[in-house]
Parts: sequence; C-alpha cells; structure tokens
Amino acid sequence: DIVMTQSPDSLAVSLGERATINCKSSQSLLYSSDNKNNLAWYQQKPRQPPKLLIYWASTRESGVPDRFSGSGSGTDFTLTISSLQAEDVAVYYCQQYYGTPPWTFGQGTKVEIK
Amino acid sequence: VQLVESGGGLVKPGGSLRLSCAASGFTFSTYSMNWVRQAPGKGLEWVSSISPSSSYIYYADSLKGRFTISRDNVKNSLYLQMDTLSAEDTAVYYCAREPPNWGSHYFDSWGRGTLVTVSS
Repeated sequence: DIVMTQSPDSLAVSLGERATINCKSSQSLLYSSDNKNNLAWYQQKPRQPPKLLIYWASTRESGVPDRFSGSGSGTDFTLTISSLQAEDVAVYYCQQYYGTPPWTFGQGTKVEIK
Repeated sequence: VQLVESGGGLVKPGGSLRLSCAASGFTFSTYSMNWVRQAPGKGLEWVSSISPSSSYIYYADSLKGRFTISRDNVKNSLYLQMDTLSAEDTAVYYCAREPPNWGSHYFDSWGRGTLVTVSS
C-alpha cells in the first residue's frame, strides 16, 4: 500500500500569512501516460465531513477560494494557503488515488490561528 | 447532490450492522461510490468502493472480509453490511462519491456520516 505522510502535524499561522502543508508518498503518484499526479487535498472543519479542495495535485475544485493552491509532482506535494483566513481553521488531508485501491490518506495537518 | 447515511448506532462486539446511503441530485447509477470512516479524534480511512454496475468492488485489507459493500441503482442507494464488529470499527462512516471521469478516484461529494459505536 502507498503510505502518505504529512508534515507538520499542526501549525499555527497569523491571519493573512501563508500556511504550507507538505505531503509525501511512498511511491510516485505520477502517471507517465497522461502526466497527471493522482493526489487530492481535503479540508475538514470540526463536526463536518471532509470537503474536496484540490485534485490532480493542482486543480482547484469549483468554488474553492483561489488562496488555496496545490503543487508538487512524483512523491512530494504541497498545499498552500496564501493568506490565512479565520474560516480556514481546519484539519487538512492529502489522499492518493494511484492505480487500484486501497486509496490512502495522510494523517492530517491541523491549522490554527497564531 | 445529497448523500444521507443512516443505520449507525450502538452494537455489541461480534454483532452486525447495515449502513445505508441515500443519494439524490445526480444520476447515481453512473458514479462509483465509496465508504470512508473516521475513528473518534483520528484521521480518514478508506473502507470500500464499488463501481457503477457493481462490477468492481474493493475493500481495505484491514477489514479481513467482514464488510460487504453493495448498491441498488433503482433505489439510488449504497449499502455497507458490517459483520463481526469490534471496538476498532467504532467510527463515523461516510458515504463518498467519485467523479465519473476515468481514473478520478478522489471524492467530490460526502455525506454527513453515521456514527457506529461498538461497545459492550
């Protein structure tokens, strides 16, 4: 199974500052046939289900604010919140969907306001 | 798009439970569906997936054959039969939809979840 490891486990960022979350996979998530990275990012606020933010590593889901961006390729990926807002306080998860199941998630990164 | 889970509750170790997910607002029969669970205070764990016509079914290895996923495209419903439950199965179980595009095995819509508690 592909193991997903996020860092850090938590971070505190001042309002308006940048938040950066890293996700590393145990094997490459890049399909050479279509040059797509099979990685998604989710946001989960307390007592809510997860919400899709980013797929194919860098494609923003419809309706997601453009302060959220995804980057990376192969085994190393990053979710960036360019200017943290109060409503961005949440736990963020990466998920790989390379090949066939099992689909696996990172352990989550908790983002708080400093 | 709406996904509404039901069927959760308190069950004794060794018991069984059947979860349901009622789908609406989209053509259910054309989407692969999944169950994802989250133990209290823990992260997300993929449980099982089923293709639109039930031709392809996958499970997490950790389930050891105790769970069975199924769907009814006439009733627009997804199911998860859970047997031989243990305390480690205590979690919120989410129903989650995959986009219809080939290879798009991420989850673009989620239900609010149903809580399963396994305790004596």
